[in-house]
Amino acid sequence: QLQLQESGPGLVKPSETLSLTCTVSGVSIISGNYFWGWVRQPPGKGLEWIGSIHYSGSTYYNPSLKSRVTISVDPAKNQFSLKLSSVTATDTAVYYCSRRGGTSIAAKDYWGQGTLVTVSS
Amino acid sequence: QSALTQPASVSGSPGQSITISCTGTSSDVGGYNYVSWYQQHPGKAPKLMIYEVSNRPSGVSNRFSGSKSGNTASLTISGLQAEDEADYYCSSYTSSNTYVFGTGTKVTVL
Repeated sequence: QLQLQESGPGLVKPSETLSLTCTVSGVSIISGNYFWGWVRQPPGKGLEWIGSIHYSGSTYYNPSLKSRVTISVDPAKNQFSLKLSSVTATDTAVYYCSRRGGTSIAAKDYWGQGTLVTVSS
Repeated sequence: QSALTQPASVSGSPGQSITISCTGTSSDVGGYNYVSWYQQHPGKAPKLMIYEVSNRPSGVSNRFSGSKSGNTASLTISGLQAEDEADYYCSSYTSSNTYVFGTGTKVTVL
């Protein structure tokens, strides 16, 4: 059974870098033609696509976040990570990791439970 | 990229059918058959309900169906049930090789 689990600090100070990791179990991160990505949701608001990565290293980012986002993959640990630099209070959100390319190349069929990250001093 | 436009709320009585619209542009919804729909209950992760405009993943009720006309995609829920009360989001691939979500629709079962 495929499972994704986010982990990382729940509190980040303004201007610092938010770092999250998604641990994948049940499938190898380098198998198939999967894309591993991140979606966030500010409290009480809608979903926002952050970006995704293929194990080959190809990355795709939301243009509005591109200058601050880095997504990377660690096949040895079967994990992928998100780094968001220079955070402000508007980056406070629940961050979800997800998989795309299983059911459909363009649909996210597996999601982590989400982790709340608060940006505050 | 701008979020796709959805109605803020839609409601219906048990057993009725409702339709949620998702309007984009020719650079996203209208240009590709890569529209997905997600259901999200409070405090839970989104769940894939429809992919590639009108396909249902295994395990999703056939009461959920999707379609597209021009730059507008639609999700129809027939035989509305109490468990369908949730937020629904559309998503589309874009010409910039990125993805965009809709603004979200709260479905209320009266």
